[in-house]
Amino acid sequence: AQSVTQLDSQVPVFEEAPVELRCNYSSSVSVYLFWYVQYPNQGLQLLLKYLSGSTLVESINGFEAEFNKSQTSFHLRKPSVHISDTAEYFCAVIHIQGAQKLVFGQGTRLTINP
Amino acid sequence: KAGVTQTPRYLIKTRGQQVTLSCSPISGHRSVSWYQQTPGQGLQFLFEYFSETQRNKGNFPGRFSGRQFSNSRSEMNVSTLELGDSALYLCASSDVGGHTEAFFGQGTRLTVV
Repeated sequence: AQSVTQLDSQVPVFEEAPVELRCNYSSSVSVYLFWYVQYPNQGLQLLLKYLSGSTLVESINGFEAEFNKSQTSFHLRKPSVHISDTAEYFCAVIHIQGAQKLVFGQGTRLTINP
Repeated sequence: KAGVTQTPRYLIKTRGQQVTLSCSPISGHRSVSWYQQTPGQGLQFLFEYFSETQRNKGNFPGRFSGRQFSNSRSEMNVSTLELGDSALYLCASSDVGGHTEAFFGQGTRLTVV
């Protein structure tokens, strides 16, 4: 079975400051990793994913995440946040060859203050 | 391509009633999964359908059921509603491979009173 732990339930930061949202996972099998973002009253949107290859993955809006196999982590970072980044962020894993079932962390609410 | 469409967006039901939610996946996607999102439990997997067959099921009581039609559209049904069933129900569709990316709809907000 897989599990995902997002270490911070809420992260407040000032606009233009850097941010890191932490995610650790536990799995006895190989997994793919994802970050999803949820804006108020919306569904989930894929932010970025790690399937294989380079351990550093980037999104089109400036976020990046690094897969660290030894530490079983997939932390999300952005060097300079904007008000529009205010949202809830979910880390998720899926067993590579198992059930089509995402296992999510509890989410991190990112609040950007002007 | 149109995205994943869920209807209705909002629903209010009374305890003991039943409800049916609908999900139309992205054209060409054959896998449809359902998730329940609540403040207390977070996002939890309900079930997944592929080519009209339930492939996987989460740890929910039998009151929660679903089906998939030949055009890949899916419905989920909750019978004998309880207050604790109040949640955002999210549907996600994936292509045949399924593991590389799931596309989510905007969800149906169910309130049980």
